[in-house]
Amino acid sequence: QQQVKQSPQSLIVQKGGISIINCAYENTAFDYFPWYQQFPGKGPALLIAIRPDVSEKKEGRFTISFNKSAKQFSLHIMDSQPGDSATYFCAAVFSGGYNKLIFGAGTRLAVHP
Amino acid sequence: DTEVTQTPKHLVMGMTNKKSLKCEQHMGHRAMYWYKQKAKKPPELMFVYSYEKLSINESVPSRFSPECPNSSLLNLHLHALQPEDSALYLCASSQARQNNEQFFGPGTRLTVL
Repeated sequence: QQQVKQSPQSLIVQKGGISIINCAYENTAFDYFPWYQQFPGKGPALLIAIRPDVSEKKEGRFTISFNKSAKQFSLHIMDSQPGDSATYFCAAVFSGGYNKLIFGAGTRLAVHP
Repeated sequence: DTEVTQTPKHLVMGMTNKKSLKCEQHMGHRAMYWYKQKAKKPPELMFVYSYEKLSINESVPSRFSPECPNSSLLNLHLHALQPEDSALYLCASSQARQNNEQFFGPGTRLTVL
């Protein structure tokens, strides 16, 4: 019930293509869904986040799509660039739970020139 | 200043050593976190401090001892560690209110011999 399932485990995209990463959850107590980007040797950094009352949020080339009824959300990276090559983690946060992040397993994205 | 700093960057210790990891933030955040991250895995929450009080201990072995001496500092004292404790230890901070962005430090790469 506390899990967040993330797929795919790894993804290779050509420069200029669209990268899509999917996540699914079970517990409806989750009410905040951030995406983190992590480069090797660095800590994760917040990329974009969404709340379940919104179906889509866009920031630059990054878009979150949220389907509350299906309990699924996804990250779309438009016009993917080699600099986007990193590991991406989706996460979910429990309402009232000390801001505790429940991470997905991560997706290693490689964008080839 | 939106930075979380961690020292040292790297640490090698024997199983009988005592060492400490240090984390500092000056963003006025009143929630601070310790995470452990193994290679190719997501961060795992260890401890949460809220207003300098320990709020969450995720059943972490007593050989890890957290300390929050003031609102800007967070320490993790290490004693009698095992080789399987080798990992990247990440500190994060956030506003103590719900669903706020966690800012991560770069981590300390710990190797236990």
